Amino acid sequence: GAGVSQSPSNKVTEKGKDVELRCDPISGHTALYWYRQSLGQGLEFLIYFQGNSAPDKSGLPSDRFSAERTGGSVSTLTIQRTQQEDSAVYLCASSLAPGGADYGYTFGSGTRLTVV
Amino acid sequence: LAKTTQPISMDSYEGQEVNITCSHNNIATNDYITWYQQFPSQGPRFIIQGYKTKVTNEVASLFIPADRKSSTLSLPRVSLSDTAVYYCLVGGVYNQGGKLIFGQGTELSVKP
Repeated sequence: GAGVSQSPSNKVTEKGKDVELRCDPISGHTALYWYRQSLGQGLEFLIYFQGNSAPDKSGLPSDRFSAERTGGSVSTLTIQRTQQEDSAVYLCASSLAPGGADYGYTFGSGTRLTVV
Repeated sequence: LAKTTQPISMDSYEGQEVNITCSHNNIATNDYITWYQQFPSQGPRFIIQGYKTKVTNEVASLFIPADRKSSTLSLPRVSLSDTAVYYCLVGGVYNQGGKLIFGQGTELSVKP
């Protein structure tokens, strides 16, 4: 597609429920990243996929968070047993080259998650 | 990991040139320097990227001294619409495994 597409744009869920956030990267981009941004804060790295390599999960805050990338394209970020501190905007980005060494990352508009 | 330091906030007026400097003392040989712009309720947007010397595009210029321990983003003749948070990032393929780490950014406020 023309840009990085994320869905849903907004999600309100009850504490303890599981949620799935979807990211559709730019076609041909081999690298895909998930970040989290809490209100008024900077971006927190979560996970990074590069081609068929094992993902870099070093930023996932707990084992309630997981992500997969099917067929080297679409990615799903899953949060199990959501907590109120999980409320944030979840941003997905893709890039042509790892680390944005080409023209940088292209970010989606994010999913605003609110846990009530 | 290459850490960046930039001012938390800056104020400017319409029509002025704005220069935001970022320090990255432990930048690695293969690291690129990239700047992003973020408006409220949007994801960051790529502005400019460089490795050394000067890079210019239709939006901004990026000045990188020979030692590459700092960089300066220059926005010519800012307007109200340039009010945003600006992030300086350092990283690349051979450092940090390819992921980029965002710092706190510089919140630029442009006044009329």
